[in-house]
Amino acid sequence: QKEVEQNSGPLSVPEGAIASLNCTYSDRGSQSFFWYRQYSGKSPELIMSIYSNGDKEDGRFTAQLNKASQYVSLLIRDSQPSDSATYLCAVNRYSSASKIIFGSGTRLSIRP
Amino acid sequence: SAVISQKPSRDICQRGTSLTIQCQVDSQVTMMFWYRQQPGQSLTLIATANQGSEATYESGFVIDKFPISRPNLTFSTLTVSNMSPEDSSIYLCSARVAPTGELFFGEGSRLTVL
Repeated sequence: QKEVEQNSGPLSVPEGAIASLNCTYSDRGSQSFFWYRQYSGKSPELIMSIYSNGDKEDGRFTAQLNKASQYVSLLIRDSQPSDSATYLCAVNRYSSASKIIFGSGTRLSIRP
Repeated sequence: SAVISQKPSRDICQRGTSLTIQCQVDSQVTMMFWYRQQPGQSLTLIATANQGSEATYESGFVIDKFPISRPNLTFSTLTVSNMSPEDSSIYLCSARVAPTGELFFGEGSRLTVL
């Protein structure tokens, strides 16, 4: 079982719609969770971090965390073509608290 | 946040040679890490760069192949030794900042080994 699992996609969403990206993790003790966006040829860029159960909103982005289900999601409202990128879910290992492990990423495509 | 500078940004290397990547952070950070991203793949953690002591390597990575230094809080180097074409990849320096523990990345170093 992978430590962090994501659907690789591609996920195609019409412009203006909500894009929903999902992630599950295996380490039940993990406490910190992150979403990164990576454009082709660029390094990952942090867009959201979440540490507590529930929702956290930042502009058009909402991160959702459910530790009991070991599930993290990212919602992107009013999707724009510029949101087309690979989205990486990352989780802080509980067993080695300093290390952050990444999922394989979901490729998102926003169609005009 | 943290601004992380890496160099070189890209290089083409011959098989059997070694290359050292440098990483400089603009502020004091708690932890520094090196990741690898192979073409079309996600990020794989190579090692934690420990200040003033030997790096802590992940399974599948060894010091002889990927020696790492971190002489102070804001600077680290990764050497890719005795390179083969399988080492062609993007190598990313990263740092965690206090108090959030968020992880930030440098621009990456794209290595091509012929």
